[in-house]
Amino acid sequence: EAGVTQFPSHSVIEKGQTVTLRCDPISGHDNLYWYRRVMGKEIKFLLHFVKESKQDESGMPNNRFLAERTGGTYSTLKVQPAELEDSGVYFCASSPFGVGYTFGSGTRLTVV
Amino acid sequence: GDSVTQMEGPVTLSEEAFLTINCTYTATGYPSLFWYVQYPGEGLQLLLKATKADDKGSNKGFEATYRKETTSFHLEKGSVQVSDSAVYFCALMNYGGSQGNLIFGKGTKLSVKP
Repeated sequence: EAGVTQFPSHSVIEKGQTVTLRCDPISGHDNLYWYRRVMGKEIKFLLHFVKESKQDESGMPNNRFLAERTGGTYSTLKVQPAELEDSGVYFCASSPFGVGYTFGSGTRLTVV
Repeated sequence: GDSVTQMEGPVTLSEEAFLTINCTYTATGYPSLFWYVQYPGEGLQLLLKATKADDKGSNKGFEATYRKETTSFHLEKGSVQVSDSAVYFCALMNYGGSQGNLIFGKGTKLSVKP
C-alpha cells in the first residue's frame, strides 16, 4: 500500500508570505495527525483529525496556522503569514484506529 | 505535563561498537513507550515499542526495556552498523494524559563510521 505522502518536501519562503503544506494519508485511515520539529527541539503535536473533524488542535501554536481536511481525505496546513520561528520540519501521520501511526517523510520549511 | 528526555547527540561510533541511547520519561499513569528512527531523507519509522512495565521491545538487533521503577526506556544494540546511522527519537503515548498523542524527546543523531 502507498504510504503517507507529504509535499512539498522542501519549501523556502520569505517572512510574511503564505505557505500551504499537504498531506495525503494512507487510504482508509480516519486519523490524521500533524507534528512539527523546530530545529534542535522535540517533535511536537499540532493537531489531530478524525475524518474531516478536528479532534484535538491543542498543539496549534497560534492563529496563523490553519489546518483543513477536505472530505476526510487529504489535509492541508497553511501558515499565513509565515514568521522566522515557523521554520522546521512538519510531519504528517495517519492511523486507522488512533494507534499504529505511519509517518510521512516530512516537509522542511525554511522562512527567511 | 508528560515529557521525554533523551541524551543529547550527536553520537559517533565505530562499526561493531555497543550502542546505548538513554531515555527517561515523566508521565502520569501507564504510558506506552516507543523508539522511532529517521534515516536520512526518510520519514519517521517505528523501531520498537513496549506497552507495560518490564516489557522488552526489540527489532533489527535493537532492544529497550520498559523500566517503571527508573522511568526509563534506554535503547541498546550490541553491534552497530554503518546503516544504523540515523536520528533516534524516544516517545511516549499516554492515553489518559495526552489523549493518545505522541510526546517525543529531542532526538539523538547517531553516526556510525566504518
